[in-house]
Amino acid sequence: KNEVEQSPQNLTAQEGEFITINCSYSVGISALHWLQQHPGGGIVSLFMLSSGKKKHGRLIATINIQEKHSSLHITASHPRDSAVYICAVGSARQLTFGSGTQLTVLP
Amino acid sequence: DAGVIQSPRHEVTEMGQEVTLRCKPISGHNSLFWYRQTMMRGLELLIYFNNNVPIDDSGMPEDRFSAKMPNASFSTLKIQPSEPRDSAVYFCASSEGRNTEAFFGQGTRLTVV
Repeated sequence: KNEVEQSPQNLTAQEGEFITINCSYSVGISALHWLQQHPGGGIVSLFMLSSGKKKHGRLIATINIQEKHSSLHITASHPRDSAVYICAVGSARQLTFGSGTQLTVLP
Repeated sequence: DAGVIQSPRHEVTEMGQEVTLRCKPISGHNSLFWYRQTMMRGLELLIYFNNNVPIDDSGMPEDRFSAKMPNASFSTLKIQPSEPRDSAVYFCASSEGRNTEAFFGQGTRLTVV
């Protein structure tokens, strides 16, 4: 069993739809990171959170420490949101990565 | 700040050649990480520096891989000799400290033929 599991692996949505990507982990963590990787390959850090909820524009990340679960939500999705979203847990010193969720938003 | 800067963006080399990847972290960040991303294994931490000192290199796959950080603004990852299985995207990231957000560079796509 992987220490960090993401679901779904692939997700196709229509523009405007509300999207949820889930991340479950089995290790103790100091923080959970959500990363975005575009087709060009660059990785962007979206959120780092250790409790509660964070919001940035149309993106919302939540974490439930007791349940060892986090969700990344995208409201009013847009084709430019198409990317791979990666959940990673741990400290910056030792991040354990999920396998990523490939999101495709169709116009 | 321009963010974490990696060079080159793409590198194609022949098996057996030496390859050097370069990274300039964000100014003021005291932690630097080298990651490798492959289709089979996803993202893996290779080595972690704190205040220019290698702290954890347990992820470095073999003696063919070496990393240095001669000063706070520059790091290199060297592969000598390179092999086709080293083909991957290599990311450098930096952060202010141990439990702070890591910022990634654009990556270097290495192809060893």
